[in-house]
Amino acid sequence: QQQVKQSPQSLIVQKGGIPIINCAYENTAFDYFPWYQQFPGKGPALLIAIRPDVSEKKEGRFTISFNKSAKQFSLHIMDSQPGDSATYFCAATSMNYGGSQGNLIFGKGTKLSVKP
Amino acid sequence: EADIYQTPRYLVIGTGKKITLECSQTMGHDKMYWYQQDPGMELHLIHYSYGVNSTEKGDLSSESTVSRIRTEHFPLTLESARPSHTSQYLCASSTGQGYGYTFGSGTRLTVV
Repeated sequence: QQQVKQSPQSLIVQKGGIPIINCAYENTAFDYFPWYQQFPGKGPALLIAIRPDVSEKKEGRFTISFNKSAKQFSLHIMDSQPGDSATYFCAATSMNYGGSQGNLIFGKGTKLSVKP
Repeated sequence: EADIYQTPRYLVIGTGKKITLECSQTMGHDKMYWYQQDPGMELHLIHYSYGVNSTEKGDLSSESTVSRIRTEHFPLTLESARPSHTSQYLCASSTGQGYGYTFGSGTRLTVV
C-alpha cells in the first residue's frame, strides 16, 4: 500500500514531442505528489508538485495531471528539448502523517532521452 | 545561499577501510535522509533523522551507520568498506512531512 508504481522505465522521444510519465499509488491518505528531475552526476531536484484538490498544475512546459478516483498522476513535458533528457521520479506522501509515514515514497524512475 | 553539501564527490577506497561520507545543510532543516542509488536509478532510503540525536534505519538494510549531533550535519560511516558498498550515496533534507526535499549532488563510492 506504500508503493508508488512508475512507468515507463525509459522513454525516447524526438525534440518537440510530448513525453508522458505515469505513476499510480494505492494509499488513499497520500495528499502530496511531487516530481523530481535528476541530471547525470547531480542529485534529484524538485520540478513540480500537486495536491489532490486540483486536477492539473502547469509550470512552464511541465504539467502534472491528477486523477484522484483512479489514484494516478502523470507528468507531461510540452515541446520537449534535448536539455530535458534526465531521469524523472514521481513521489507521494501524506502531509498529515508524522514519523516515517511522512517520508516521501519514490517511484523507481524514468530515464527520458529527447533526440535532436 | 542555502544549500546541502556532500563531500567527497568521488571516492575510491580499498576493501576493509573505514570511511565517512559528509553531508551538511545550511537551511536549518530538521529532517535529513541518506539514499543509495545504483545505476538502475532507483532511490533506496537507508537512513533518516528527524532532528538532533534522532536516527532511524530506512527501507533498505545497510551496514552503514549515521549520527546527528548537530542539526546541519548528518555523516554516514562505513566501518569496513566492501565492494558491495560501491554505489552513489545521496543526502537530502526537508522542512517537514514529505515536501521540500533538497538533495545534495551525491558521493560516488567505489570500493576495490
